Amino acid sequence: SQQGEEDPQALSIQEGENATMNCSYKTSINNLQWYRQNSGRGLVHLILIRSNEREKHSGRLRVTLDTSKKSSSLLITASRAADTASYFCATASLGLSRQLTFGSGTQLTVLP
Amino acid sequence: GAVVSQHPSWVICKSGTSVKIECRSLDFQATTMFWYRQFPKQSLMLMATSNEGSKATYEQGVEKDKFLINHASLTLSTLTVTSAHPEDSSFYICSAREPIGTNSNQPQHFGDGTRLSIL
Repeated sequence: SQQGEEDPQALSIQEGENATMNCSYKTSINNLQWYRQNSGRGLVHLILIRSNEREKHSGRLRVTLDTSKKSSSLLITASRAADTASYFCATASLGLSRQLTFGSGTQLTVLP
Repeated sequence: GAVVSQHPSWVICKSGTSVKIECRSLDFQATTMFWYRQFPKQSLMLMATSNEGSKATYEQGVEKDKFLINHASLTLSTLTVTSAHPEDSSFYICSAREPIGTNSNQPQHFGDGTRLSIL
């Protein structure tokens, strides 16, 4: 079942601007992951942040995690038209299966 | 990086047909694979967890006799949609995770999905 909510549902920005997406979840987690999905394609893993980490960077991506508020944010800096896609957060359960529960997603459109 | 191959990418068939979708981990052994379903403009919903050599674990509301899962080897899981009907039309995506081992934090690697259209 889907436990996470993301906001905004849709975001449209100009190339070069920063894009921030937020994710909230409900239960304790092992880690939180962000994925990107181009239309009609599978998901591409972007970044994983562990439950004991607060911030992580990867290239133009910055992820924060606040376990007390059960929330995370994904910041994409200096956006490009090629960043246009849907972005999903996913929380990994504490159990051995490490099942992922996906958020509702944010559709990002970067205008050239 | 780890690669998961999903086949076919697109299926169009008549109502009543059974459709098999394959998910392969190409460069790692996956003891656990996951099957998801995604409706247009919606998120992924986990259907079942596929464990190599044992029965799959289905999520609540997913009919195990409708969606047959077989994970006979460490690199292959299959999902068969039996007697498919138009309401089964959807985007089906598989994923695989490398064995946890000493690192309990591993991302899942996703296939490119299968778009199933039942006429």
